[in-house]
Amino acid sequence: NAGVTQTPKFQVLKTGQSMTLQCAQDMNHNSMYWYRQDPGMGLRLIYYSASEGTTDKGEVPNGYNVSRLNKREFSLRLESAAPSQTSVYFCASSAGTSGALSTDTQYFGPGTRLTVL
Amino acid sequence: AQSVTQPDIHITVSEGASLELRCNYSYGATPYLFWYVQSPGQGLQLLLKYFSGDTLVQGIKGFEAEFKRSQSSFNLRKPSVHWSDAAEYFCAVVESGAGSYQLTFGKGTKLSVIP
Repeated sequence: NAGVTQTPKFQVLKTGQSMTLQCAQDMNHNSMYWYRQDPGMGLRLIYYSASEGTTDKGEVPNGYNVSRLNKREFSLRLESAAPSQTSVYFCASSAGTSGALSTDTQYFGPGTRLTVL
Repeated sequence: AQSVTQPDIHITVSEGASLELRCNYSYGATPYLFWYVQSPGQGLQLLLKYFSGDTLVQGIKGFEAEFKRSQSSFNLRKPSVHWSDAAEYFCAVVESGAGSYQLTFGKGTKLSVIP
């Protein structure tokens, strides 16, 4: 039981390049999330998916797109990377669906450290 | 909108000493409150959470937190710190009953433990 896994662990991009961050969970959770963590800023929600087939914007969605491929997988895509997107990206999941999210424990992956030059 | 303030950016304590990490929230109704810990190079792990009932909440690794509505606080405590507790600690809040899906995090408090 691996929990939440993320690939890759590290990535360096040049400005304007694109890439997709992958996330998968094996806990049969309904909800999945993408956060970014910047020094002195805590974690900020980029996008979330309350159930398979649905996605919604979080606090900082600009410059990102997401796909909830199936119940297990939730990917984050940077179409044209910018230096401001240099950050550590965390994927998380929780068991509940719409309406039950507020008390759910979120389980986090180990993170992807992205540098955009 | 809700917000979370962790006034201390960095705290250093001696091993065996007691610990209190402060968290204040800004929200009108009853919040759902969480403490997460992040060890270096790792993801976040839930320590404890509060959403109703007894205002003193017990968590994993010997941590506890007390919800004080009058002070809008949810401070994290541990009576005797171990070297392995060195990590960054995040307080977080979610609106209750508003259909909000967003967990709002504080900026974190980094804990260093000296022998």
